[in-house]
Amino acid sequence: EVQLVQSGAEVKKPGESLKISCKGSGYSFPDSWIGWVRQMPGKGLEWMGIIFPDNSDTRYSPSFQGQVTISADKSINTAYLQWSSLKASDTAIFYCARQNNWGYMDVWGKGTTVTVSS
Amino acid sequence: EIVLTQSPATLALSPGERATLSCRASHGVSTYLAWYQQKPGQAPRLLIYNASNRATGIPARFSGSGSGTDFTLTISSLEPEDFAVYYCQQRSNWPPEVWTFGQGTKVEIK
Repeated sequence: EVQLVQSGAEVKKPGESLKISCKGSGYSFPDSWIGWVRQMPGKGLEWMGIIFPDNSDTRYSPSFQGQVTISADKSINTAYLQWSSLKASDTAIFYCARQNNWGYMDVWGKGTTVTVSS
Repeated sequence: EIVLTQSPATLALSPGERATLSCRASHGVSTYLAWYQQKPGQAPRLLIYNASNRATGIPARFSGSGSGTDFTLTISSLEPEDFAVYYCQQRSNWPPEVWTFGQGTKVEIK
């Protein structure tokens, strides 16, 4: 079964750092782009960026460039999303999703809820 | 950046009725457009890709059409499980540059 398993919910304080993960299984992880999507409370989906794990080619939405870092470790089939200094406005659910051969998100993780509050 | 505008924001219909959702792009995206369904507390699910192709396991009552800047998702006869939020997404460039989602259309029970 093709699946993406995301790390668990996080509660952090403003200014703290955070790295969440997304582990793929059931397919050749290095050979498919993995994207990250933000969903703020009660809001829609926002495309954050994407990485090709085989060579770590990474692209960011201008809205998220410089705000987060996307990375991957193909040796353990895992992609990451990290923040160096969280803000309250980073409170959201973050989904990872595999891009199929046509470039669309056909397999999704269940999401990681990040809560940033003092 | 290509902006996708979905309409209406909310669609109130009864089971068995036909639903027609619209997605308009600020610039042409050819047929590089997908539709996703999201139910409360769940991750989105891919319904339609390349404007008109149903993803694996998606019922035939879901269909997509359009090209360029105007796209439509049609649900021919609403089932109770179809009441959800629907998003369009464009991937007009490859390798990926900036891909975007529409703001969503909520299909609710009338």
